[in-house]
Amino acid sequence: GAGVSQSPSNKVTEKGKDVELRCDPISGHTALYWYRQSLGQGLEFLIYFQGNSAPDKSGLPSDRFSAERTGGSVSTLTIQRTQQEDSAVYLCASRQTGVKNIQYFGAGTRLSVL
Amino acid sequence: AQSVAQPEDQVNVAEGNPLTVKCTYSVSGNPYLFWYVQYPNRGLQFLLKYITGDNLVKGSYGFEAEFNKSQTSFHLKKPSALVSDSALYFCAVRERSSASKIIFGSGTRLSIRP
Repeated sequence: GAGVSQSPSNKVTEKGKDVELRCDPISGHTALYWYRQSLGQGLEFLIYFQGNSAPDKSGLPSDRFSAERTGGSVSTLTIQRTQQEDSAVYLCASRQTGVKNIQYFGAGTRLSVL
Repeated sequence: AQSVAQPEDQVNVAEGNPLTVKCTYSVSGNPYLFWYVQYPNRGLQFLLKYITGDNLVKGSYGFEAEFNKSQTSFHLKKPSALVSDSALYFCAVRERSSASKIIFGSGTRLSIRP
């Protein structure tokens, strides 16, 4: 596609439910990032995939959070047993290999946990 | 571990005046540095980057930034602010390693008054 696509754009769920957020990166981009942005706040790094290397999961806030990237393309961020503090905008970005290449961001998924 | 600091939560400037949004960083070795802008309900958009070479980097919409190694800073500047520049601005840093993640600052809200 032309850009990074995230779905759904909005998700409302009840506390304790599991949610899956999807990211379709730009075709050919080997690096994929997930960030969390709480209301009016900065971007909190969650996880980073680079090609076939083991992902950098150092930013995941708890074991309720996990992410996969299948076939080096689409990624899914899963949050189990959601809590109200998980409410935020979840942003995905992709980047082509090469030190000069920049990240391109999707519009994000706004998650609201009631 | 790399980190980024944006010491000002908000910067207020009158239209036509120069603006500066501050950013300092901490990273092992020489960094890659970036500025992104976020408009309401939108993903992040790339403004400019420092990779190597000239310390003064020019980017989109008339913005520029100066890499200062001794002060570990990468402040964003514009000679004459426009009301349309009002947005949330993020500084980001990446270590010079192919496997390193990109870390963002907490963001600075720029408000330009007519």
